[in-house]
Amino acid sequence: EAGVAQSPRYKIIEKRQSVAFWCNPISGHATLYWYQQILGQGPKLLIQFQNNGVVDDSQLPKDRFSAERLKGVDSTLKIQPAKLEDSAVYLCASSQTGIDEQFFGPGTRLTVL
Amino acid sequence: SQQGEEDPQALSIQEGENATMNCSYKTSINNLQWYRQNSGRGLVHLILIRSNEREKHSGRLRVTLDTSKKSSSLLITASRAADTASYFCATEGNTPLVFGKGTRLSVIA
Repeated sequence: EAGVAQSPRYKIIEKRQSVAFWCNPISGHATLYWYQQILGQGPKLLIQFQNNGVVDDSQLPKDRFSAERLKGVDSTLKIQPAKLEDSAVYLCASSQTGIDEQFFGPGTRLTVL
Repeated sequence: SQQGEEDPQALSIQEGENATMNCSYKTSINNLQWYRQNSGRGLVHLILIRSNEREKHSGRLRVTLDTSKKSSSLLITASRAADTASYFCATEGNTPLVFGKGTRLSVIA
């Protein structure tokens, strides 16, 4: 069984630029999550999708972050414009039902200069 | 907030010893999960324990849950150098999964 795929693995941008991350969850998993993990901390949920609908986006900074999951499969997370404090690892995860274990991708390490 | 808080923040042991990590949380939960993260990599799910369960085993892992004390512990027996990683507890209740800051475990060969 293929795992959660993410790209790119690394990204370096200047502040005020925009960036997009892509995630392809495990086939058949209805629930998809985006997390932000700052160095030395645990992951923080940004947004949760159930199929192509948003379940929770309460911690997503909506003035600069956006995410979509068209067709209920893969998803993109965008930051526009980026700030220095957005430097972090962005993790995508998926689960079958949303109340069971989550499977994580390798993450995208973003550095904002 | 129902964020779990792991204790200790860092733990260093010799190979073959047991490692115990604790997690405390603040509000009612449906389940508590433990994840492992090797340096620079994604998280790997270790074990899920539901609120009506008290103990669960998986290989060398043993997890306990005490809902009256709002606490959980993760025991790794006969540790190996490959167990070196950060371990996170995560709680799920009225909100989606919320992670703690983790315990950094170093197993010295």
